[in-house]
Parts: sequence; structure tokens; C-alpha cells
Amino acid sequence: EVQLVESGGGLVQPGGSLRLSCAASGFTFSRHWMHWVRQAPGKGLVWVSRINSDGSTTTYADSVKGRFTVSRDNAKNTLYLQMNSLRAEDTAVYYCTRDQPIDYWGQGTLVTVSS
Amino acid sequence: QAVVTQEPSLTVSPGGTVTLTCGSSTGAVTSGHYPYWFQQKPGQAPRTLIYDTSNKHSWTPARFSASLLGGKAALTLSGALPEDEAEYYCFLYYSGARVFGGGTKLTVL
Repeated sequence: EVQLVESGGGLVQPGGSLRLSCAASGFTFSRHWMHWVRQAPGKGLVWVSRINSDGSTTTYADSVKGRFTVSRDNAKNTLYLQMNSLRAEDTAVYYCTRDQPIDYWGQGTLVTVSS
Repeated sequence: QAVVTQEPSLTVSPGGTVTLTCGSSTGAVTSGHYPYWFQQKPGQAPRTLIYDTSNKHSWTPARFSASLLGGKAALTLSGALPEDEAEYYCFLYYSGARVFGGGTKLTVL
């Protein structure tokens, strides 16, 4: 059974940093591209970033470029999102999803940026 | 960054048919945008219904179909059920970046 479990969310002050993790199981993680998607409270889905299967290529939404970094550890079957210089508008539930094609989603982890 | 547009809300009667559309600020939506459709119910993670314009996952109910229509991506629900009431999002690829539409709140009433 494919499972994606996000963790690492929480309350952080503006300007702070946080690292999210997405633990994958039930499939060959190293064969799949992965995405991060976020959803602010009461708002729509927003694509954040994607990484290819070996981690050599990454792409970001303009809103997070230069502040967020996506990475992966295929030996640990884990996807990461390092978030720096956090702003109030980064407050959201962050989901990881499996690609090729996009099918399974995690349940999300909530990040709250507030003083 | 491109803007993807969807109807903010639509209503369909139980058993009825409704089409949701997805447009792009850059012009016509084509198969090269690899359109996706996602369904999200309150308090739940999104669920992927359609990928690459019209392909279904094993869990996608047969009453959902998708295509390109009049320069837009389209999701058609035929024989709506109460459990189809949800938010529906389209998703397009733009040379590396991906963009979601704002979502369509579908009411079955």
C-alpha cells in the first residue's frame, strides 16, 4: 500500500526556518518524481515545488523561489522541504504527492507562521 | 506566472450532468499542459481523478470524464451523486512550473 506521511510542521516566527519531511512507503521511491503542494486555511491548492527521481533537478513556484529548497534521500525513502525566511503568507497545510503521474497524496502537515 | 481559471461555483441536480472548465491566461489549453483534475472534500487531502487530459486512475468513478473543449480542459460529471459535492481543482504544466486553478465548488442539489 502506497503511503506518504508528512511531518515537521508547527508554529514558527516570521523569518524563521522549518524542515518538512515526507516519509514514503509501499513503492519504489527512487523511481518517482515528487511534489510539494500547499493550501492556506480556507483557500485553494498551490503548487510549491517538484524534484526529479534522483534529486538532480528541482523547480519552484515564484512565491517560494530562493527561500525553499526541496531535496530527497532515496536511501531513506524521504522527501524534504527546507523552508527559510518564512512569512505569514506561508501559513498552510503542506502536502507531498507522488508523480508519474500524480496519484497519491499525504494527509498534510500544518505550518503556521506567526509571532 | 500563468493564471489558471475555473468557475468559482456550479450546481448540479442529483442524477444530472455538469461540465467544469479550466482555462489558461496564456491561451488555449492543450495536451501539452498535461491537465489534471483533483477532487477535495472538506477536511480531506486532495484526490487525483484525471491525469494527462483524460486518463483515469483505478479509483476514479466512471461517471467522471475529461477532455479538451473549446480551448479549455473540461471535466464532465454524468449522473451526479450527493457524494460528488466537493471542490474540484485543475492543474496545468508550464515548461517546468505547475499551476493550480482556483477551484470550482460543486454543489449537488
